[in-house]
Amino acid sequence: DIVMTQSPLSLPVTPGEPASISCRSSQSLLDSNGFNYLDWYLQKPGQSPQLLIYLGSKRASGVPDRFSGSGSGTDFTLRLSRVEAEDVGVYFCMQGAQAPFTFGPGTKVEIK
Amino acid sequence: QVQLVESGGGVVQPGRSLRLSCEASGFTFRSHGMHWVRQAPGKGLEWVAVISYDGSNEYYASSVKGRFTISRDNSKKTLYLQMDTLRADDTAVYYCAKGIPISGSPQYGMDLWGQGTTVTVSS
Repeated sequence: DIVMTQSPLSLPVTPGEPASISCRSSQSLLDSNGFNYLDWYLQKPGQSPQLLIYLGSKRASGVPDRFSGSGSGTDFTLRLSRVEAEDVGVYFCMQGAQAPFTFGPGTKVEIK
Repeated sequence: QVQLVESGGGVVQPGRSLRLSCEASGFTFRSHGMHWVRQAPGKGLEWVAVISYDGSNEYYASSVKGRFTISRDNSKKTLYLQMDTLRADDTAVYYCAKGIPISGSPQYGMDLWGQGTTVTVSS
């Protein structure tokens, strides 16, 4: 199985400041067509997860443009250009390149 | 209304079975791969299973392979998860989620999630 790691696991943030989360996979998530099968999800407190980014860098419908995804192969980054109070929760990366699919352990983002 | 609604959760003894359902509405159910994802109390997300748009391909997490079976009925717009030989570590909230592509694997973009149904395995 592909192992996903994230860092940091806890991220205190200041509203208005940028933030980033790293995600690494034990195998490449890049296929021959140039697609990186890496998603980012946010689970806000008490809610179901929601999709933020898919295929490494494509923003899901309705997701604010302050969220961006980058990376390729085994190293990926989620960036928030300016954190807002509503962005608190746990962020998960997930690989869909090879079943069984696997999530990272999650990064808890909270306001300082 | 575009939504997924899970049902079928409950308290069950170890070794017994349970079947979860997920009813879809507001989108073309037969055009998407569908997933089950679970979350144990206080823990992270664990992907459980996926089924392709037509049910021809299924994939499972190592932790449930051989015990759980994912299936779908496109005429009823419903996804299922048959869970057999349940163990205490299967206790979790189970979510169904809609993938973007039709395939089973590879997959990406679970862009619609249900509210979850709770399964508790305890004697």
